[in-house]
Amino acid sequence: DAGVTQSPTHLIKTRGQHVTLRCSPISGHKSVSWYQQVLGQGPQFIFQYYEKEERGRGNFPDRFSARQFPNYSSELNVNALLLGDSALYLCASSSDLQGANVLTFGAGSRLTVL
Amino acid sequence: AQSVTQLGSHVSVSEGALVLLRCNYSSSVPPYLFWYVQYPNQGLQLLLKYTTGATLVKGINGFEAEFKKSETSFHLTKPSAHMSDAAEYFCAVSRVITYGNKLVFGAGTILRVKS
Repeated sequence: DAGVTQSPTHLIKTRGQHVTLRCSPISGHKSVSWYQQVLGQGPQFIFQYYEKEERGRGNFPDRFSARQFPNYSSELNVNALLLGDSALYLCASSSDLQGANVLTFGAGSRLTVL
Repeated sequence: AQSVTQLGSHVSVSEGALVLLRCNYSSSVPPYLFWYVQYPNQGLQLLLKYTTGATLVKGINGFEAEFKKSETSFHLTKPSAHMSDAAEYFCAVSRVITYGNKLVFGAGTILRVKS
């Protein structure tokens, strides 16, 4: 079975641009979460979606938005990019919202903002 | 609020030596605890988790961790390090949010294995 897949794997943008990152969860998983990992730090929670509804949002500005589609795939959008948005963006899926459930992570999308 | 502290941003051990990576958590309720490993240029891979029951948890690749409520710790150990264990390790606690849950990660510990 395929794991969590993310695209693109790497991308370079300039300040002020917009970026869309995509994620396909493990088949059967209905929850998708997004995390930002800045170099040298642990991942920070951005969003959680379940059954196409936002279930939680981290401490990120409104420039960050996301959505989940009927097939449970998800997009993360970041507008007006800043240098500080350079990071590895990780998508994770789980079967439901129980705290004991394991999040399975994708390999990430590495964003560089110049 | 739940948080995680990993003591030691870098740990260096010789091949065959004991690996000990430290994690302390703060939580007002019984926690769900996780250890993940990240190899260079890759995502996070689950090593093991503690939810309820037995406090000594065995994971993949010979790793194990012990939940100690009195010490609010969840240290990761492996009896004998292998070169392939060189990676970054993250401890995390599950935290309830508005209508779901999230993982709160520690800052990570980079493990170096010397030959």
